[in-house]
Amino acid sequence: GENVEQHPSTLSVQEGDSAVIKCTYSDSASNYFPWYKQELGKRPQLIIDIRSNVGEKKDQRIAVTLNKTAKHFSLHITETQPEDSAVYFCAASRGGSQGNLIFGKGTKLSVKP
Amino acid sequence: DVKVTQSSRYLVKRTGEKVFLECVQDMDHENMFWYRQDPGLGLRLIYFSYDVKMKEKGDIPEGYSVSREKKERFSLILESASTNQTSMYLCASSSRRPGANEKLFFGSGTQLSVL
Repeated sequence: GENVEQHPSTLSVQEGDSAVIKCTYSDSASNYFPWYKQELGKRPQLIIDIRSNVGEKKDQRIAVTLNKTAKHFSLHITETQPEDSAVYFCAASRGGSQGNLIFGKGTKLSVKP
Repeated sequence: DVKVTQSSRYLVKRTGEKVFLECVQDMDHENMFWYRQDPGLGLRLIYFSYDVKMKEKGDIPEGYSVSREKKERFSLILESASTNQTSMYLCASSSRRPGANEKLFFGSGTQLSVL
């Protein structure tokens, strides 16, 4: 069935360094790729998303890139800060099914001061 | 701001009990979802609904059912709770309106323990 693989499962960086999280998807019909951030004890929240007609999107220190041919997309966080510490989930839309997402297993990012 | 409210933050039930998890959203969203979150497994879709009285199975529907009698309320039912259903349950909603960006709004979750 459809699948989203996410790597790495844990990532530790020094404050100020960059962090990259990578995901691959299997459903060729996926056209929407959001990223959610979940801080400890809190609900997941959307931080950035990208559609299949765009190759890259930036929002301040975060950016997402998409390679449709290779079926992979990545989250890039620059100048990391301790408040970036959280679990990050990538997701891909399921075919033409609006709002129906397949999530990756998550990456626990730790930013050390 | 959109509010998705789950009725309980923590719940402890016994094996075999019937369990109801309630979710209410206040933004007139058409879509509602129930996810289960387990460490190392991410978010897995149990059931979803695109309209009142409508329901669709997600990836792990076994042992669960749902009810959507009103647009704002989506209930998850564990017919006979088992220990392997101990988990964090997250409800979410999103809009189907033209121009809506498919953003999911999550509730704060219900941590269910089945003993």
